[in-house]
Amino acid sequence: GESVGLHLPTLSVQEGDNSIINCAYSNSASDYFIWYKQESGKGPQFIIDIRSNMDKRQGQRVTVLLNKTVKHLSLQIAATQPGDSAVYFCAETAPGGKLIFGQGTELSVKP
Amino acid sequence: DAGVIQSPRHEVTEMGQEVTLRCKPISGHNSLFWYRQTMMRGLELLIYFNNNVPIDDSGMPEDRFSAKMPNASFSTLKIQPSEPRDSAVYFCASSTTGTNQPQHFGDGTRLSIL
Repeated sequence: GESVGLHLPTLSVQEGDNSIINCAYSNSASDYFIWYKQESGKGPQFIIDIRSNMDKRQGQRVTVLLNKTVKHLSLQIAATQPGDSAVYFCAETAPGGKLIFGQGTELSVKP
Repeated sequence: DAGVIQSPRHEVTEMGQEVTLRCKPISGHNSLFWYRQTMMRGLELLIYFNNNVPIDDSGMPEDRFSAKMPNASFSTLKIQPSEPRDSAVYFCASSTTGTNQPQHFGDGTRLSIL
């Protein structure tokens, strides 16, 4: 069936270190993936996306890696800052354009 | 730029009352989505519209829930009658039409049914 799950429910990093948040997906037909950041009291905020014809995409301080062979997605945050503390969700598209969200990983940045 | 706007931000009401949540999508976006978020179930898609037409309402929990989109700039999600188990944060999101387009979320309505 279609499902998206995260390996690590919580992640604690030191300010300035790099963070890596992982995600597994089960639908090999999924062709579009998105990472969202959700801060307390706010809606999910789009961070970066990647299409299945790519294996890497970079944004500002963030990189998404896609490994279709093992159906794995990761979000790398460089030089993590206290403002990066939030819950991070990966999402994959299902047929019809719906998004299926993972359970989320809480990132905590220690000053 | 104005993002997705939801109202009210918070709603507290007694069970049995009618609840109406409102959403204004980003101008120019043709697809609109209603989600519910709880600790137990995470983010769940309830219903989505393309060009004001409901496309998939399979996520709507039961007949007490209904959604409308009378025009391109407004949608409502109604619960009647409300029950305590409906307590959650309800999000609206919008996107441009087409495959592989990111959805942009509002800040949600936190609903508490007493």
